[in-house]
Amino acid sequence: DAMVIQNPRYQVTQFGKPVTLSCSQTLNHNVMYWYQQKSSQAPKLLFHYYDKDFNNEADTPDNFQSRRPNTSFCFLDIRSPGLGDAAMYLCATSRVSRLPYNEQFFGPGTRLTVL
Amino acid sequence: ELKVEQNPLFLSMQEGKNYTIYCNYSTTSDRLYWYRQDPGKSLESLFVLLSNGAVKQEGRLMASLDTKARLSTLHITAAVHDLSATYFCAVDIGGNQFYFGTGTSLTVIP
Repeated sequence: DAMVIQNPRYQVTQFGKPVTLSCSQTLNHNVMYWYQQKSSQAPKLLFHYYDKDFNNEADTPDNFQSRRPNTSFCFLDIRSPGLGDAAMYLCATSRVSRLPYNEQFFGPGTRLTVL
Repeated sequence: ELKVEQNPLFLSMQEGKNYTIYCNYSTTSDRLYWYRQDPGKSLESLFVLLSNGAVKQEGRLMASLDTKARLSTLHITAAVHDLSATYFCAVDIGGNQFYFGTGTSLTVIP
């Protein structure tokens, strides 16, 4: 089945220790997104890639970076995690086409704990 | 600043009852999505609403969109326990940008 996969599902890191979260997709979608969702809050868009074009949200901290080496994979790098970065990180994909909508498909998420 | 507000934030209802969740947004858009999220899980797509007056139904859930009023509703008919979850609306403003509502946590009581 075509899907969005995130690894790991649970990640524990120490304060200030860099961490990388992974997302892969078999949907061949041209857009990949990263969202941060803190407890009992709405998902917040951090950035997205449209093909190779990176689009950063204005209020995304510099501590968050992303890489998309190919169509299938996208990574979220947190350079120096703080306690406030503990959250669920959701990857999503969509296909921009001639259709009048751009439905997103979400992965299962990675829950990040910062000690 | 774009705002997407849901009302209510918390909803406790008895099985068999009907209720409506509201999603108000502050910008022009004719594309809105509804998602369901179970505790600790990811988001599951429920409805895609693409134009003014759009209405979609699936089982006990029905969603509608009024782009002029910048309002979407999610109506629950004869609630059952399995519908307990958090429901989010999300507004598509174009340019691959989506803004999620504040979420409505629904608990259906037997």
